[in-house]
Amino acid sequence: DTGVSQDPRHKITKRGQNVTFRCDPISEHNRLYWYRQTLGQGPEFLTYFQNEAQLEKSRLLSDRFSAERPKGSFSTLEIQRTEQGDSAMYLCASRPDWHSTDTQYFGPGTRLTVL
Amino acid sequence: QKEVEQDPGPLSVPEGAIVSLNCTYSNSAFQYFMWYRQYSRKGPELLMYTYSSGNKEDGRFTAQVDKSSKYISLFIRDSQPSDSATYLCAMETGGANSKLTFGKGITLSVRP
Repeated sequence: DTGVSQDPRHKITKRGQNVTFRCDPISEHNRLYWYRQTLGQGPEFLTYFQNEAQLEKSRLLSDRFSAERPKGSFSTLEIQRTEQGDSAMYLCASRPDWHSTDTQYFGPGTRLTVL
Repeated sequence: QKEVEQDPGPLSVPEGAIVSLNCTYSNSAFQYFMWYRQYSRKGPELLMYTYSSGNKEDGRFTAQVDKSSKYISLFIRDSQPSDSATYLCAMETGGANSKLTFGKGITLSVRP
């Protein structure tokens, strides 16, 4: 499978716990994006990377959220001290580069439930 | 007002019907327009991708963009039960800092 992959697909955690999600983009895609989607809403931008550099963070990304892409390949999104409001689908997407005419391709998402 | 507004749903049609899905937007800098299909508890799947104004056809799907009216549409001909899903419009400005802005999505149900 050469698409975007995400792990885990589902995560149930208790409030206050830390969670980490992983995204593997399409091979040789330099741009990697994270979005969050709550029930009945469209995805909302969180942050993006150009290779290993994190270039922009949305105001939705509070201090409890941190994202990394250490070698410019896979990325991780960590949420510390989870809150019930963090319950959502976390989506990862990739594209070849910013100047590519190709758009973003999404992974299957990680569904987080905070009890 | 949100940057991208999508017609509220849900929408239920009989099999074989022509479906029209619409979005309006306020940011005149948007240049690239997309429609994604999302099945329940899955990630969005790209359906159509268009640049600037005009029409694009792919099988039973036609995407229309009218930049002067800030309005985009997706038409589905001969709708099938397998088309039942949530449809999301998305757009971006292009350029180095570009990222997608989505509509809320509309859930379509095609009745056999």
